[in-house]
Amino acid sequence: DGGITQSPKYLFRKEGQNVTLSCEQNLNHDAMYWYRQDPGQGLRLIYYSQIVNDFQKGDIAEGYSVSREKKESFPLTVTSAQKNPTAFYLCASSIVGGGRRWLNEQFFGPGTRLTVL
Amino acid sequence: GENVEQHPSTLSVQEGDSAVIKCTYSDSASNYFPWYKQELGKRPQLIIDIRSNVGEKKDQRIAVTLNKTAKHFSLHITETQPEDSAVYFCAASPPGAGSYQLTFGKGTKLSVIP
Repeated sequence: DGGITQSPKYLFRKEGQNVTLSCEQNLNHDAMYWYRQDPGQGLRLIYYSQIVNDFQKGDIAEGYSVSREKKESFPLTVTSAQKNPTAFYLCASSIVGGGRRWLNEQFFGPGTRLTVL
Repeated sequence: GENVEQHPSTLSVQEGDSAVIKCTYSDSASNYFPWYKQELGKRPQLIIDIRSNVGEKKDQRIAVTLNKTAKHFSLHITETQPEDSAVYFCAASPPGAGSYQLTFGKGTKLSVIP
């Protein structure tokens, strides 16, 4: 299961702390995404990035921040402003292209389970 | 924005029977509809997808149908096997310049009983 990796697998945070989740891909994909998964809620988009040094908010960006300094990396910071951060976080990547702007398959990482103590 | 409804939330079938999961979407301009399978504790993986320029796509025991008029699409699994047990997610992608978002349904937990 190479290609896209996330670390750590499990993360514990005390209230009031910021934590950063790592996501790295060696698929040479331009686009990267962060999703949050809660039981019974599906996957909800937090942020996405189509190219280096550019990113857009998804549906639930409040309390999160990202950076995209390198094509391979898209770290997610869960800030103390996120009221309910306990969840399973999934990173994904995809190619960008297609003359008709078709969305392409997103490949997911193994996820990070964050628990707030 | 796009809204995707998925039904049922849980589904139990006997091994060898067929399973059908249905999704509806709200944005008539959406043009890409993937289905992901997530086994317990693992990452979601694409199993099949369909684009708005086709009505049906099949891959061995799995098929997806799309009805653009009614704005719904369905996943069909025939001859189910115990290894088909997982959570299945549908998704839809609204079009637009630079839009690379997927909106997911809430998932269907499929249990195949041996």
